[in-house]
Amino acid sequence: EDKVVQSPLSLVVHEGDTVTLNCSYEVTNFRSLLWYKQEKKAPTFLFMLTSSGIEKKSGRLSSILDKKELSSILNITATQTGDSAIYLCAHYTNAGKSTFGDGTTLTVKP
Amino acid sequence: DSGVTQTPKHLITATGQRVTLRCSPRSGDLSVYWYQQSLDQGLQFLIHYYNGEERAKGNILERFSAQQFPDLHSELNLSSLELGDSALYFCASSAGTGSSYTFGSGTRLTVV
Repeated sequence: EDKVVQSPLSLVVHEGDTVTLNCSYEVTNFRSLLWYKQEKKAPTFLFMLTSSGIEKKSGRLSSILDKKELSSILNITATQTGDSAIYLCAHYTNAGKSTFGDGTTLTVKP
Repeated sequence: DSGVTQTPKHLITATGQRVTLRCSPRSGDLSVYWYQQSLDQGLQFLIHYYNGEERAKGNILERFSAQQFPDLHSELNLSSLELGDSALYFCASSAGTGSSYTFGSGTRLTVV
């Protein structure tokens, strides 16, 4: 059965800190790994990583896919209170299935 | 506004009843995914449709069914509802399998 495990489950930091969120996966028929940010409502898309695109960056956020270790990290530098959210990692298979991790709850204190 | 429209936003119904949740994907997106999010289980993949055809099934109960219509909107039908079906139901759309996904704002279902 496909599995996605995220760590840590929760994290509390202060503004300006740098955080690293982890995601490991055990999947068959891997196609892509996605990161989402979920605040009060629906998840919003952050990054998609595939075998041909293993590193993505947008502003203070960046993500890397380690195909050998079957894992990915999401880095957030110079954190702000607005970064407080649940960060979800999900993989998608060529067969069209997706599996989400339980998420990491990030709290950024002023 | 993400471009993915889900209706209704809230639904309260009694056990044993049947409800239909509706999702209109972003313009041009052919894929629709349905997810269930409950407090104790996180986001669970239910089913994926691509251009009207069922593409993949996840942990979808037999009491639940879905379809995607020629205009690409999708409906998720939940029947013989139980208290445990209370959850937030999301749909997401994408241009194709493996593309980035856009979520709707969800339908909060409460079964009493």
